[in-house]
Amino acid sequence: DTGVSQDPRHKITKRGQNVTFRCDPISEHNRLYWYRQTLGQGPEFLTYFQNEAQLEKSRLLSDRFSAERPKGSFSTLEIQRTEQGDSAMYLCASSWQTTGELFFGEGSRLTVL
Amino acid sequence: GENVEQHPSTLSVQEGDSAVIKCTYSDSASNYFPWYKQELGKRPQLIIDIRSNVGEKKDQRIAVTLNKTAKHFSLHITETQPEDSAVYFCAALSNAGNMLTFGGGTRLMVKP
Repeated sequence: DTGVSQDPRHKITKRGQNVTFRCDPISEHNRLYWYRQTLGQGPEFLTYFQNEAQLEKSRLLSDRFSAERPKGSFSTLEIQRTEQGDSAMYLCASSWQTTGELFFGEGSRLTVL
Repeated sequence: GENVEQHPSTLSVQEGDSAVIKCTYSDSASNYFPWYKQELGKRPQLIIDIRSNVGEKKDQRIAVTLNKTAKHFSLHITETQPEDSAVYFCAALSNAGNMLTFGGGTRLMVKP
């Protein structure tokens, strides 16, 4: 399978705990995006990387959220001190810079109790 | 930043009828407008897209139209089938060309 893969697919955690999600993009894509989707809503942009550089971050993104893409390949999204409002599907997507088409992973569903 | 509004939020049609979903965007410099289909529990998948240098694009039963002056674009599905039932999202590529802003989605239900 050469698509975008995310891990874990589901995560249940208690409020205050830290969680980390991993995304492996399509290998030839240089852009990687993180989106958040809550039930009944469209994906909401969080941040994106071009190669290893984090070029943009949503103003809505709390300081508790951090993302990395250390070698320009896979990426991690960490949420510290989780809150119930962080419960959502976290979608990763990748693209080739010149086309704009995003290829999404299956998502990582976070439930904060 | 870009703002995308999508209507209706739900749409129910009879099998064989047509369905139309409309979106408006705010950034006049946006130049790429994709449509994604998301089935329950699945990832969003691109079904059709249009760039600002054309006004209409068609692919079998689906078509997209773009009116740059009015800053709106629409998805048209003809001869709907039950397997078309899903949530559809429109999106617009921001001025900086860096990320897609999505509409709120339309839940399409095709009744057999």
